[in-house]
Amino acid sequence: EVQLLESGGGLVQPGGSLRLSCAASGFTFSTYWMHWVRQAPGKGLVWVSRINPDGSVITYADSVKGRFTISRDNAKSTLYLQMNSLRAEDTAVYYCARDVGGGHDQWGQGTLVTVSS
Amino acid sequence: QSALTQPPSASGTPGQRVTISCSGSSSNIGSNSAYWYQQVPGTAPKLLLYWNDQRPSGVPDRFSGSKSGTSTSLAISGLRSEDEADYYCAVWDDSLSGVVFGGGTKLTVL
Repeated sequence: EVQLLESGGGLVQPGGSLRLSCAASGFTFSTYWMHWVRQAPGKGLVWVSRINPDGSVITYADSVKGRFTISRDNAKSTLYLQMNSLRAEDTAVYYCARDVGGGHDQWGQGTLVTVSS
Repeated sequence: QSALTQPPSASGTPGQRVTISCSGSSSNIGSNSAYWYQQVPGTAPKLLLYWNDQRPSGVPDRFSGSKSGTSTSLAISGLRSEDEADYYCAVWDDSLSGVVFGGGTKLTVL
């Protein structure tokens, strides 16, 4: 069974940092593009970043460029999102998602990040 | 403000057919395949349609998609109470070099 399990969310002060993890199982992680998508409370889905199978191609949304870093460890089947200089508007549930043909066919349950003083 | 425009709400009665539209531009829907997701509040999104009109395994054929120019649509026939959810369109945007989602449409089954 394909599973994606996010962790690392929590409460952080503005300007702080947080590292999210997404542990994958049930499929060959190293052959898939992976994405992070977030959803602010009561709001819609917003794409954050993507990374190709070997980590050589990375893209970010303008809103997080220069502050967030996506990475992966294929040996551990784990996707990461390092988030620095966090702002109140970064408060959201963060989902990792598997990419198949451009669409996200598997999603984790999400991890909540709250940026507040 | 999203690059893709969806109506904020839609509704129908059981058994009816409902259509949800998603309008974009030449840099996104006009040149790339569209995707649709269903999200029941409090849960993760679920892929409903890919490549404009293809259903993943397990998605009922009551759900269908179409694309014309810079717009795409999701149609749900034989509406059921369990279809009550939020629906999002998504597509790669060549100008933004990223995935864009529509603002979402809340479907209510009356």
